[in-house]
Amino acid sequence: EIVLTQSPGTLSLSPGERATLSCRASQTISNNYLAWYQQKPGQAPRLLIYGASSRATGIPDRFSGSGSGTDFTLTISRLEPEDFAVYYCQQYGSSYTFGQGIKLEIK
Amino acid sequence: EVQLVESGGGLVQPGGSLRLSCAASGFTFSSYAMTWVRQAPGKGLEWVSVISYSGGSTFYADSVKGRFTISRDNSKNTLYLQMNSLRAEDTAVYYCAKLGRRQTIPDAFDIWGQGTMVTVSS
Repeated sequence: EIVLTQSPGTLSLSPGERATLSCRASQTISNNYLAWYQQKPGQAPRLLIYGASSRATGIPDRFSGSGSGTDFTLTISRLEPEDFAVYYCQQYGSSYTFGQGIKLEIK
Repeated sequence: EVQLVESGGGLVQPGGSLRLSCAASGFTFSSYAMTWVRQAPGKGLEWVSVISYSGGSTFYADSVKGRFTISRDNSKNTLYLQMNSLRAEDTAVYYCAKLGRRQTIPDAFDIWGQGTMVTVSS
């Protein structure tokens, strides 16, 4: 099973700042099948990024994904108030696994 | 509007059974693989099971293999999860989700339902 480790566990930033979220895999993810999801309290997750770097439908361009192999990054260029949430990475190259999540909180 | 609506959750005793349903609308249900994902209270996301667009292929997480069965009725645009031999550790919100590309496994999960709570307790 591919284990995904996200860091940091909590990220405290202010609106307007840049956020960089990391996801590291225990082995190479085939075809860069890596997705990012956003989840707000009491809501279902929402797909942000698939294929490591492709934005899902309706996702603002301040969200971007990068990386390959075992190291992946979600970047939010300028934080909006509605961006404070928990973010999960997921690999779907070998079965499916999620990272443990990163809480992005307002500083 | 693309929509997924889960139902069937509730309180069940350890060792009991429950069947979840997920009603789909707004897209051609029979063309997409579907999946179940769960989230224990205060915890992260855990993938449970996936089924191909035709229903001919199914896959399970080791934690539920042999106890849960995923199925679908394309004539009713409905996905199911039959859960048997339930344990306390199965307590979670269960989400159904649609895979992104037509007739494709694997893929990311692009549309999610609102979830249904399953509590396993005596």
